[in-house]
Amino acid sequence: GQQLNQSPQSMFIQEGEDVSMNCTSSSIFNTWLWYKQDPGEGPVLLIALYKAGELTSNGRLTAQFGITRKDSFLNISASIPSDVGIYFCAGQLRGSSNTGKLIFGQGTTLQVKP
Amino acid sequence: DGGITQSPKYLFRKEGQNVTLSCEQNLNHDAMYWYRQDPGQGLRLIYYSQIVNDFQKGDIAEGYSVSREKKESFPLTVTSAQKNPTAFYLCASQFDGLVGEQYFGPGTRLTVT
Repeated sequence: GQQLNQSPQSMFIQEGEDVSMNCTSSSIFNTWLWYKQDPGEGPVLLIALYKAGELTSNGRLTAQFGITRKDSFLNISASIPSDVGIYFCAGQLRGSSNTGKLIFGQGTTLQVKP
Repeated sequence: DGGITQSPKYLFRKEGQNVTLSCEQNLNHDAMYWYRQDPGQGLRLIYYSQIVNDFQKGDIAEGYSVSREKKESFPLTVTSAQKNPTAFYLCASQFDGLVGEQYFGPGTRLTVT
C-alpha cells in the first residue's frame, strides 16, 4: 500500500527546544491529520487540516497543509518531557480514491531530555 | 462518555486458533477501520467499513475477517491462516465514510505462541 515519507525518523532534544517534522507524498490529499501515540496506547488526534495553505495551532503545536496538497509539517514549540512519544502524519486521498482511508507516515519518535 | 472501546487489552492464543477482537463505538460514526501495528512500524489497514452491512479489504486483509451487522460494532477475527498474527491491533472510527477525522481506540495486543 501507499505510504507517506515522514522525517525525521527520530529526534532527541533538550527540554525547551522547538521541534519540526514533516511528511511528503507524490499523491494529492484532501485532509492531513497529525497524531501522537504513547507506548501501548492508541494514537490521539492532535490537529486536522482541510485546506491547502491552512495553518492551525493547538497549544504549543502548529501544523500546516502544504500549498501543493502533497505535504504537511508539524512544529512543537518549547518542548516538555510529556511530549515524548511517536508522532504520525496521515493523509486522506483526493478524487476517485476518496474512501476515507488514511495513509500513514512511518512515524517520528521524539525523546526529550529534561 | 463517548468513545471507542476495544477489548481485551491483552490477548494470548495458541497457534492454530481463531480469535475475535472486539471494537465498539458510541460516537454514531458511520465508518470503522481496523489497523495492524508492528514494533517500530506505522499503521497498516486490514479492513474498513464505510457503512453498516458493508466492508472492504484493506492492504493486508489475508488471514482476517470482519462483520458489520451493527453501526456500533466492528469485530475482527484473526484466523489460523494469518501467518504472523502477533501484533498490536487498533480500531478507529470516523463520522463520514468519505472524509474527516479518525479516532482510535486503545488497542489490543495479541500474542500467538
